[in-house]
Amino acid sequence: GQQVMQIPQYQHVQEGEDFTTYCNSSTTLSNIQWYKQRPGGHPVFLIQLVKSGEVKKQKRLTFQFGEAKKNSSLHITATQTTDVGTYFCADPLNAGGTSYGKLTFGQGTILTVHP
Amino acid sequence: NAGVTQTPKFRVLKTGQSMTLLCAQDMNHEYMYWYRQDPGMGLRLIHYSVGEGTTAKGEVPDGYNVSRLKKQNFLLGLESAAPSQTSVYFCASKKKGTETEAFFGQGTRLTVV
Repeated sequence: GQQVMQIPQYQHVQEGEDFTTYCNSSTTLSNIQWYKQRPGGHPVFLIQLVKSGEVKKQKRLTFQFGEAKKNSSLHITATQTTDVGTYFCADPLNAGGTSYGKLTFGQGTILTVHP
Repeated sequence: NAGVTQTPKFRVLKTGQSMTLLCAQDMNHEYMYWYRQDPGMGLRLIHYSVGEGTTAKGEVPDGYNVSRLKKQNFLLGLESAAPSQTSVYFCASKKKGTETEAFFGQGTRLTVV
C-alpha cells in the first residue's frame, strides 16, 4: 500500500552542524505533517505543509514541500543538543483518498547531536 | 485538559495471557489510532477509528482487536499475547479532516515473556 519513505534512518552530527531529513512518496500527497519524538517521549506535532512548493520556518527549522507534492524535507540549521530525537513525516490522507482518517508515518530519522 | 491518556504505562505479560490497553481523550476528537513502535521500524498503524462504533485495520492488525464503544475511548486488546508483541504502544487522536494534527498519549511499554 501507500508508504512514505524517509531517509536517512540515522544521523549523527556535531553540535553546530546542519541536519536534513527527507520524505518521499510514490504518489501525490494532499499534505504532509512533521512530528518530533524526544528520547523516551511521545511524538509531538511540529508543522503541516499543504501547498505545492511551500516553505515554512520555525526558528532554526525549515520545512519544504516539493513542487509535485511527492516529497518533503526538514532542515535544521546549527543543531543544538536540544534537537536530539526522532523526526517523523506523516501522510494524513493515504493518497488515493479511499482510506480517509488513516494516518501513516514514515520510518523516522533518529538524530543524535554530539556536544 | 488531560489530552490523550493511556493506561497502563507499563505491563509485563506471560505468553498466552490477554490484556486490554485503554486510551481516553477529552478533546472530542473523531479519529483515534493505535500504533506500535519498535526499534528501526518507526510507528506502525495497528487499527484506527473514524468515529464511535467504527474501526478499521491498519498496517499490522494481526493479533489485536479494538473497540470504540464511546467516542472518547479506544481500546486495544491482545487476546493471546506473544513475544513478538513486545513493543511500545501509542494511542493518538485527531479532529476529523486531513489538515488536523494528531495528539499522542504517553505510551505503554509492554513486554511479553
